[in-house]
Amino acid sequence: QLQLQESGPGLVKPSETLSLTCTVSGGSISSSSYYWGWIRQPPGKGLEWIGSIYYSGSTYYNPSLKSRVTISVDTSKNQFSLKLSSVTAADTAVYYCARQGTIFGVVTDFDYWGQGTLVTVSS
Amino acid sequence: QSALTQPASVSGSPGQSITISCTGTSSDVGGYNYVSWYQQHPGKAPKLMIYDVSKRPSGVSNRFSGSKSGNTASLTISGLQAEDEADYYCSSYTSSSTVFGGGTKLTVL
Repeated sequence: QLQLQESGPGLVKPSETLSLTCTVSGGSISSSSYYWGWIRQPPGKGLEWIGSIYYSGSTYYNPSLKSRVTISVDTSKNQFSLKLSSVTAADTAVYYCARQGTIFGVVTDFDYWGQGTLVTVSS
Repeated sequence: QSALTQPASVSGSPGQSITISCTGTSSDVGGYNYVSWYQQHPGKAPKLMIYDVSKRPSGVSNRFSGSKSGNTASLTISGLQAEDEADYYCSSYTSSSTVFGGGTKLTVL
């Protein structure tokens, strides 16, 4: 059974960089059929896709966040990571990692999700 | 990219059917058959309910069905049950990106 687990600081100061890691267990992150994505949800609001990465390092980013986002992958550890720079209170959210299907160069649905981790931006 | 448009809320009585719409453009919903739907209960991670417009993952009740016409996708839940009360989100592929709808709160009366 595939499992994803987010980890990282729950509190980040304004203007600093938010860093999270997603550890994948029960399956290989190097599968050719999947991307690995980050999605966030501000308290009481909807889902927002942040970006996704392939095991080779190929990435897709949300255009509205692209200038501040870096997603990387470590296949040796079966992990992928998110860095979001210059954070403000608007970046306070539950951050989820998830597995995303891919076919013919298109990214599709998120079929496995982590439980989510709340990151608060505050001084 | 703009979020897909969903109604903020829908409601129905147990046993009834409801439909949630998800409206986009020819660049996302209308242009690809890669629309998915997610159910989210309070405090929980989203759960995939429908993918590729109308396919159900293993384990998802056949009371859930999806369809698409033009730039609008729809999720129909038949035989409403109390446990269906949740938030529902649609999502679509668009131009090397993924976009979500704003979400719909389903209330079972």
